Parts: sequence; structure tokens; C-alpha cells
Amino acid sequence: QKEVEQNSGPLSVPEGAIASLNCTYSDRVSQSFFWYRQYSGKSPELIMSIYSNGDKEDGRFTAQLNKASQYVSLLIRDSQPSDSATYLCAVNMIGGSYIPTFGRGTSLIVHP
Amino acid sequence: EAGVTQFPSHSVIEKGQTVTLRCDPISGHDNLYWYRRVMGKEIKFLLHFVKESKQDESGMPNNRFLAERTGGTYSTLKVQPAELEDSGVYFCASSQDRRDRQFFGPGTRLTVL
Repeated sequence: QKEVEQNSGPLSVPEGAIASLNCTYSDRVSQSFFWYRQYSGKSPELIMSIYSNGDKEDGRFTAQLNKASQYVSLLIRDSQPSDSATYLCAVNMIGGSYIPTFGRGTSLIVHP
Repeated sequence: EAGVTQFPSHSVIEKGQTVTLRCDPISGHDNLYWYRRVMGKEIKFLLHFVKESKQDESGMPNNRFLAERTGGTYSTLKVQPAELEDSGVYFCASSQDRRDRQFFGPGTRLTVL
């Protein structure tokens, strides 16, 4: 069974701190990796995508990918209470397929 | 630009009844996807339309689920007859090209009693 694993949390960080969210995946041939943010009762929203090893930065968000170790992480710098949400890791596991396999998500709480 | 819309937002039905969920994708998006999230589990893929054709329906759980996209615009997902384990949130997403990012709708929360 090909899987995407995330710690369900909640991960609680103080405002202004760095929040680090981690995700591991089982399929070595995975090509595309995504982070979605989902506020309670709302739809998942794509916030980051990464396709090659290393770091990708977008504003306060940095995605990190290590294919050898099969993990992808999301760092949120200067965390704000508005960042409180569930963060879903998704991986395209089958070569050529664009259907993501989702993890269960990590709940992030940023407290003032 | 209007996003992906879904109707209804909530549905409560009894076991054995029929329910039809509707998804209106973003205008011009040929690709439409259905997903489901059961309580405590991850979001799981159900099927993928390209225009009116079913491209991939490998995630459909059984033949009680029927998805259609007549005319390649909106899509419906019918569950008949509904079972308790069908309860969950059903998401629809669309994209212009299958390689593009998918935009998700707000979901329909289905409760089968």
C-alpha cells in the first residue's frame, strides 16, 4: 500500500516562531510533491509544490524535499495565528499520473 | 472568477436512500476530480473526468457510486443505496490541464444514518 504519512498533531507554536511540518512517503518513484492548507470547514488550498531535491521558498513558506530519504517538509517562518490550519501533504506516486495521494494532515496551532 | 462550487453543502440521509451531489468546476476547466474524506482518514481520490469522459475511475469504491458529467460541464455523483460507511466529506476539484494545480470546492458533508 503506497502511503503518505504525517504526524496528526496538533503542532503548537508561538506567534513569530518557525513551524516545521514533516511528511514521509513510501513510493520511491514519486515525482511531484504538494502542500495544501485547509482551514476548518473549508476547501484544501495549494500553497506549495516542489519537484526536485532541495529547498523552494515562497514568502514565509519553504518546502524541502529529500528524495533519498523520502521526506518532504514545510517550514513556516514568522508564524501567525492566521496560519492555524491543517496542512496536507500530497504526493503524485505513479509516474505520469497527476492524481495526488494525500496524507491525513497535520493540525497547526499558532498561539499569540 | 468563480471557484469550484458544490451542492449541497450538507446532506443527511438514512441508510438505503439515494443522494446526488453536484459539482460545478471553474469555467473552462476540462479536468474534474472527485475525492472523499472519511472521518479521521486521508482525502482519497475517487475519479477523474476529462470533459465528459471518465479518464480514471480506479478510486470508486463500488457500483453504488455513479458519476456523470454530461456535456462536460458540471458533474454529479450519485450514491444509491447509501450505506453508513459512505459518510464523509466529498470534494470536487478542477484544473485546466491535468498537469495544472487543482482547485478544490468547499465539499459536501454527507451523513448516512
